[in-house]
Amino acid sequence: DAMVIQNPRYQVTQFGKPVTLSCSQTLNHNVMYWYQQKSSQAPKLLFHYYDKDFNNEADTPDNFQSRRPNTSFCFLDIRSPGLGDAAMYLCATSRDKGNEQFFGPGTRLTVL
Amino acid sequence: KNEVEQSPQNLTAQEGEFITINCSYSVGISALHWLQQHPGGGIVSLFMLSSGKKKHGRLIATINIQEKHSSLHITASHPRDSAVYICAVRFGGGADGLTFGKGTHLIIQP
Repeated sequence: DAMVIQNPRYQVTQFGKPVTLSCSQTLNHNVMYWYQQKSSQAPKLLFHYYDKDFNNEADTPDNFQSRRPNTSFCFLDIRSPGLGDAAMYLCATSRDKGNEQFFGPGTRLTVL
Repeated sequence: KNEVEQSPQNLTAQEGEFITINCSYSVGISALHWLQQHPGGGIVSLFMLSSGKKKHGRLIATINIQEKHSSLHITASHPRDSAVYICAVRFGGGADGLTFGKGTHLIIQP
């Protein structure tokens, strides 16, 4: 009955090696979000898609990109991960803007 | 600056105690969420509210729009309630993503 699925749950990458995190949803929601949560900090919004419309937060580094090939899937691409990018990455969805958000279990990224 | 403040940061209580966690925010919002995060990261949405009060089982959430304040209450607390409780708001003015508080670390001891 999983509704927001994130793969993998744990990802280890090397400094500078591109990595892609995956999020899928079975809810047919219009909006998908990516949040970054560093250790002992609150989650921070990176960007979101409203359908195919991409919305980047002003302070999201260019190193972070996203793709949404269809309603169900959304990817987070980190082009050249640095040590400071080690974090939990949370995907969330909502039926429409302003509706309740449903979170996935997160992907914990380690950068060596 | 749009800010969300939670208190207390850490709370340890005995099983059965009535728990209150507070959240205040700086400017007008369109909605406030209470979320629960267990060790390992997964976040569960407990409530979304924009006015009044909501109740689900032993959990109660209230919001006072005029005072820009919300509370989450847990009645008859249990060790399985131990988690981080996060207040997150959707600010008005077209913003869409949530702005999170730093969370309250709750430990319920048997």
